[in-house]
Amino acid sequence: SAVISQKPSRDICQRGTSLTIQCQVDSQVTMMFWYRQQPGQSLTLIATANQGSEATYESGFVIDKFPISRPNLTFSTLTVSNLSPEDSSIYLCSVEDSPGVTDTQYFGPGTRLTVL
Amino acid sequence: LAKTTQPISMDSYEGQEVNITCSHNNIATNDYITWYQQFPSQGPRFIIQGYKTKVTNEVASLFIPADRKSSTLSLPRVSLSDTAVYYCLPRSGGTGGFKTIFGAGTRLFVKA
Repeated sequence: SAVISQKPSRDICQRGTSLTIQCQVDSQVTMMFWYRQQPGQSLTLIATANQGSEATYESGFVIDKFPISRPNLTFSTLTVSNLSPEDSSIYLCSVEDSPGVTDTQYFGPGTRLTVL
Repeated sequence: LAKTTQPISMDSYEGQEVNITCSHNNIATNDYITWYQQFPSQGPRFIIQGYKTKVTNEVASLFIPADRKSSTLSLPRVSLSDTAVYYCLPRSGGTGGFKTIFGAGTRLFVKA
């Protein structure tokens, strides 16, 4: 199974600033996913990131607010821009193990963002 | 994507067996059924996956009837540390990269 790390683990940011979250995987993976989990809620998919192509965003999420980079097969970043208190959430990245076989996903530990 | 229905929450006591049933009436032929567990302040963790009949591993058992319109996660002899949210997710096998959409999940509270 893939081992995923995220940085930072948590941060407190001021309104109007941006936070970039890093996701590092210990093996090469094709698909990486970014999720948001608001307090007490389930996970909501933000976007799917393939290496070498533009990320695919879910309804309600736009590139200007959540730009994503995927420079190689082991790394991705998610930036949450122009922060507002409503962006306070846990942000998780995940990767897919054995795509086309079992499609099991593995998740990072998450980044807890608090916007003041 | 198959829509899922699970109980919002369940209570249990230590040492009991817990069964969480998930309905997925419009599951596709290629869909596997995967269950995840999420502890507070952690990302979801894969528990078990199956296609039909019964699958067992060191953590849980998964029962899937012949029509595959539901599945039941069985946790034997739960402990306090099994308190978590449990998600069932039908996923398309063979397509690779098919996005995973999480439902509300079931919050299991294990009491002493």
